[in-house]
Amino acid sequence: SQTIHQWPATLVQPVGSPLSLECTVEGTSNPNLYWYRQAAGRGLQLLFYSVGIGQISSEVPQNLSASRPQDRQFILSSKKLLLSDSGFYLCAWSGERPISQYFGPGTRLTVL
Amino acid sequence: AQTVTQSQPEMSVQEAETVTLSCTYDTSESDYYLFWYKQPPSRQMILVIRQEAYKQQNATENRFSVNFQKAAKSFSLKISDSQLGDAAMYFCALIQGAQKLVFGQGTRLTINP
Repeated sequence: SQTIHQWPATLVQPVGSPLSLECTVEGTSNPNLYWYRQAAGRGLQLLFYSVGIGQISSEVPQNLSASRPQDRQFILSSKKLLLSDSGFYLCAWSGERPISQYFGPGTRLTVL
Repeated sequence: AQTVTQSQPEMSVQEAETVTLSCTYDTSESDYYLFWYKQPPSRQMILVIRQEAYKQQNATENRFSVNFQKAAKSFSLKISDSQLGDAAMYFCALIQGAQKLVFGQGTRLTINP
């Protein structure tokens, strides 16, 4: 069966510091991968998605970037964090068909 | 643009009873999918149920079922025999063609023992 991992689970970073969040998927090949952000008490907003290695689509212009160095690895990065980057970050994967997206456990990021 | 609206910020139900969560959406496409996700206090998003727009039959997964009214663009979730473990935020979501899931704002469901 497929499993999705995210780390770290919790992160507290100072403003201006770099960021790297990692997501890996097991049990499937060539998945579509997604990064979402959830602000407190709100729904999810898609940040990036990838349909293959090195292929990244950005949904929201922002202080973040994404990379996919390997088939089942998806990384969310920032060179300099802002206070507004605080939130809950969720990685998800889907197959080409069916279209359902399955989420990882998430990373809670606090920028101070 | 696609939109998803959940008009009930909070709902509560007695344990073992039935509750219905409402969702309306807007899309210009004829081919799309609708989902209900559950987010417990751990905050991991769990897929509860999926409905393909081209299917007339309402989806069912154990105690969870949907009422899909395509013409009215309505997609409600019914939870039967509510259990304490059903307490969570529930999000309605829509996807069409491309990869972007569009979420509603969520409904917080409380189960009263």
